[in-house]
Amino acid sequence: NAGVTQTPKFQVLKTGQSMTLQCAQDMNHNSMYWYRQDPGMGLRLIYYSASEGTTDKGEVPNGYNVSRLNKREFSLRLESAAPSQTSVYFCASSENRLYQETQYFGPGTRLLVL
Amino acid sequence: QQQVKQSPQSLIVQKGGISIINCAYENTAFDYFPWYQQFPGKGPALLIAIRPDVSEKKEGRFTISFNKSAKQFSLHIMDSQPGDSATYFCAATDSWGKLQFGAGTQVVVTP
Repeated sequence: NAGVTQTPKFQVLKTGQSMTLQCAQDMNHNSMYWYRQDPGMGLRLIYYSASEGTTDKGEVPNGYNVSRLNKREFSLRLESAAPSQTSVYFCASSENRLYQETQYFGPGTRLLVL
Repeated sequence: QQQVKQSPQSLIVQKGGISIINCAYENTAFDYFPWYQQFPGKGPALLIAIRPDVSEKKEGRFTISFNKSAKQFSLHIMDSQPGDSATYFCAATDSWGKLQFGAGTQVVVTP
């Protein structure tokens, strides 16, 4: 039981390049989330998926797209990376869409955009 | 703007001391207040949570104090240990809303 896994662990991109961050959970959770973590800002929600087949914008969705591929997997895509997207990205999951349930976080992806 | 304000940004405490982290919020619809603990290089993990129908919740050396009228809540780490060195995030949400995190507090416990 690995919990929430994320790939890659580290990535360096040039401005304008694209990439997809992958996330998978093996806890049979319905809801999944993408956050970014920046110094002094805490964690901010980018997108979430309350259940398979649905996605919704969070607090900071601009410049990102997501795909809920199946119940297990939720990917985050940067179409044209910008230096402002340098951050640590965390994927999380919870049993269902009620936000008062515990969210389980992955280990993060550290992204540097030059 | 952040809906949950957290202070201090960092603190250093000696082993055996008490660490205190404070959070304040404005949205009176918030009714669930979790604290997450994050070790370097890891994702956050739920530490303890409280609902506003109680003023205090204790789990081991960790205690949340909640003041509904002041719209403030705090985390106390009693008998702080070097293994408690981590970043702590307070958060808040209403029944259907999204988790709003504070900016985080880096706690360093010196031997």
